[in-house]
Amino acid sequence: KNEVEQSPQNLTAQEGEFITINCSYSVGISALHWLQQHPGGGIVSLFMLSSGKKKHGRLIATINIQEKHSSLHITASHPRDSAVYICAVYFMDSNYQLIWGAGTKLIIKP
Amino acid sequence: GAVVSQHPSWVICKSGTSVKIECRSLDFQATTMFWYRQFPKQSLMLMATSNEGSKATYEQGVEKDKFLINHASLTLSTLTVTSAHPEDSSFYICSALEGASSYNEQFFGPGTRLTVL
Repeated sequence: KNEVEQSPQNLTAQEGEFITINCSYSVGISALHWLQQHPGGGIVSLFMLSSGKKKHGRLIATINIQEKHSSLHITASHPRDSAVYICAVYFMDSNYQLIWGAGTKLIIKP
Repeated sequence: GAVVSQHPSWVICKSGTSVKIECRSLDFQATTMFWYRQFPKQSLMLMATSNEGSKATYEQGVEKDKFLINHASLTLSTLTVTSAHPEDSSFYICSALEGASSYNEQFFGPGTRLTVL
């Protein structure tokens, strides 16, 4: 069964802390998305990756294909990073369809 | 990155009326677009896959006669909620697939919040 699990569900941290959000999936994937959803609801695609590591500003995404695991890191976190972060994957047998994690609600306190 | 717009961003309507939501890819052509709905504090749920020039593919449990999808051009897909009822109140989000590869990146619209009174 194609499943995506994220942890933690909720995360509250102080400004400046290093943040890690984890995503595990059940079977082989073609690619994995990390997305950000702000309280207003709009979704922004942060990264799409199928191997290795990607970095954009203070955000870093890594994926370990053998371990079926990906992490999203935020360095020097800021209150404006407060959002829901969602991991979504293309499983190899799901042709186009993203399978979504439940999301991680992140709150960064000033 | 590529930009996807949705219109309207929010709409309030009376029960029984129909509402049309537009999804446009602004700077790329999208042969495939997706429609999602999201209830409060829940994850996105795929409603249908919209392919330009052909009929949409609906997910199990989604009424195709209630949620009409038209993808008449490579940059526009529309979702019409027909005879809307309060239980249709939700956040509707579209995404567009850039490119023809099976897992090209999806770009998301800002969403449309529908409230049916």
